[in-house]
Amino acid sequence: GAGVSQSPSNKVTEKGKDVELRCDPISGHTALYWYRQSLGQGLEFLIYFQGNSAPDKSGLPSDRFSAERTGGSVSTLTIQRTQQEDSAVYLCASSFVGSSYNEQFFGPGTRLTVL
Amino acid sequence: AQKITQTQPGMFVQEKEAVTLDCTYDTSDQSYGLFWYKQPSSGEMIFLIYQGSYDEQNATEGRYSLNFQKARKSANLVISASQLGDSAMYFCAMREGYNFNKFYFGSGTKLNVKP
Repeated sequence: GAGVSQSPSNKVTEKGKDVELRCDPISGHTALYWYRQSLGQGLEFLIYFQGNSAPDKSGLPSDRFSAERTGGSVSTLTIQRTQQEDSAVYLCASSFVGSSYNEQFFGPGTRLTVL
Repeated sequence: AQKITQTQPGMFVQEKEAVTLDCTYDTSDQSYGLFWYKQPSSGEMIFLIYQGSYDEQNATEGRYSLNFQKARKSANLVISASQLGDSAMYFCAMREGYNFNKFYFGSGTKLNVKP
C-alpha cells in the first residue's frame, strides 16, 4: 500500500516506561506531522518535519516528548517516563509541499494507553 | 482566540437529507487554505475538500461542497443526500499563509445519519 503507516497500532504500557511510536510516510512526501488526539477531542499539533530543515517542535507538551526523522523518511516519536495523561491516539500525517492543496494524508494512528 | 471554531459537537440528520456543518476561522493572513476531514469510528482521517482563500468559487467534491463566506470567515461543509456511511466525526482545519507547518484543527462535529 502507498499510504501512511504507523506502528504499533495499539500500545499499552505502565506509567514511567518509555515508548516509541513509528511512522512511515508516503514515499516522496517531504513534510511529516505528528498529532495527538485525546478521546473525543480534536487534533493537537506536536511536531513538524520538512525536508532537511530544523523541525518545528513548538507543539511538544513537555521535554519527555521527542521525535526524529531519519533520512527524510521514517519518523519515531518517543515519550519518556510516560504518564497517564499521555494516553491518546497519536496520528502521523505526511504531505507533499508544493502540491495544489498540500493536504495531509494521515496514518491509522497508534492508540497509547498508560496504566 | 481559537483559530478554528466548530460550534456543533453533535448533529443528527435523516438519511437522504442535506446537512450543514459549521466552521469559522480566525486569521490575519491573506493567503490560507481551509480543509475538511472525515474521521469514521475506525479512526482514520480522510481528506474531503479544500478551499483556497483566493478561490472565487465554492469548492465541490461529489456530495460535498464548501460554503465559503470570506467576509464572515466561515467555511461550512454541506453534505447533500446524506448516507448512513456519512456518520462520523468531521474536522475543519486551516493552513495559515505559506507556513505548511501551521495547520489548525477544530474540535470536530459528530454527525449521526438516521435511517
